[in-house]
Amino acid sequence: GQQVMQIPQYQHVQEGEDFTTYCNSSTTLSNIQWYKQRPGGHPVFLIQLVKSGEVKKQKRLTFQFGEAKKNSSLHITATQTTDVGTYFCAGGANSKLTFGKGITLSVRP
Amino acid sequence: DAGVIQSPRHEVTEMGQEVTLRCKPISGHNSLFWYRQTMMRGLELLIYFNNNVPIDDSGMPEDRFSAKMPNASFSTLKIQPSEPRDSAVYFCASTLGLPNNSPLHFGNGTRLTVT
Repeated sequence: GQQVMQIPQYQHVQEGEDFTTYCNSSTTLSNIQWYKQRPGGHPVFLIQLVKSGEVKKQKRLTFQFGEAKKNSSLHITATQTTDVGTYFCAGGANSKLTFGKGITLSVRP
Repeated sequence: DAGVIQSPRHEVTEMGQEVTLRCKPISGHNSLFWYRQTMMRGLELLIYFNNNVPIDDSGMPEDRFSAKMPNASFSTLKIQPSEPRDSAVYFCASTLGLPNNSPLHFGNGTRLTVT
């Protein structure tokens, strides 16, 4: 079945550093979604990418969909303590949405 | 918009007891999902309903788990009998449209502890 991989599961950065994480699918996707879950909270939808090579920005967050529609990246510029949490990607294909295991970001002030 | 509403927020029960988790999706949404989240396995899809009909229940662990959606505004997930390995956070989510191209709106979750 479809697999969506996010490695590593944890990353620690110093406040002000940039952060990039990747999401890889075993199959070609129709779209990819990103969610953020704060500690003790629930996943919250951030963005959806549909087109090959698409790039979208939300303030300091930049999301990209790969040309082959099998991978995606999330880049955070100048991390802040408010960026802490777990970031999930979810790949859509064949009417299904498959979540990766997420990457938990911690930010040292 | 009240969002997806789940109850209870926390549930502590003893092994062997029946547990019922409840979910009210966002009004107008026609797809509803039950997820289980643990540190080891991450977010696992248990079951997905579309227009109140179960479409994919391949993630339901075993016969001890059952889910119903009697109408568009209510769903339950029941575990009978519960076991310690069922301890997890259970999320309900809803969306309008197909699950692979519509954002999911998650509830606050139910943290289940089975002792």
